[in-house]
Amino acid sequence: SAVISQKPSRDICQRGTSLTIQCQVDSQVTMMFWYRQQPGQSLTLIATANQGSEATYESGFVIDKFPISRPNLTFSTLTVSNMSPEDSSIYLCSVAPAIGNTIYFGEGSWLTVV
Amino acid sequence: QKEVEQNSGPLSVPEGAIASLNCTYSDRGSQSFFWYRQYSGKSPELIMSIYSNGDKEDGRFTAQLNKASQYVSLLIRDSQPSDSATYLCAVNAGSQGNLIFGKGTKLSVKP
Repeated sequence: SAVISQKPSRDICQRGTSLTIQCQVDSQVTMMFWYRQQPGQSLTLIATANQGSEATYESGFVIDKFPISRPNLTFSTLTVSNMSPEDSSIYLCSVAPAIGNTIYFGEGSWLTVV
Repeated sequence: QKEVEQNSGPLSVPEGAIASLNCTYSDRGSQSFFWYRQYSGKSPELIMSIYSNGDKEDGRFTAQLNKASQYVSLLIRDSQPSDSATYLCAVNAGSQGNLIFGKGTKLSVKP
């Protein structure tokens, strides 16, 4: 399995600010995904991070709110823009070596917006 | 809309008993099925994956898949208090390789 490092692991953010979460993988992976887990809820896919091109967003998520970069096969960032208390969630980077393979999760970034 | 359904629980079993967790999915074309365990305050951790009908055993865990019934289950034998967690069922969602998750079943194993 891949080793996935996320930064920051936890943060308290002011309303209206933006925060960028970094995800670093110890090996090249084909698929990288960003999920959100709101308090007491299950995981919801935000977008698939595509290497060298624009991310593919799920219904209900837009690039202006959640811009994503993926400059290479081992690194991606997710920015949560203009945060509100409703954005208080765990944001999880996940990877799969190939389509259909097992998906592994990083430790998550726990954001609280005040 | 592809869906994965799980009983939210909590499911409470005594230590040493068998815990049975169930999951149904709506997309008949799904091919890959996963069980994740999530402790409070932690990220999900993969327990089992299963791709073909039947049973798959790994230590105290057995995953069962029935594609005709669109049903997947996880059995935990000799349950321990350390198994107390939320168990998430996940199913592959399509060509991008991402997963759709159920809401999770909270398991409590009482000493």
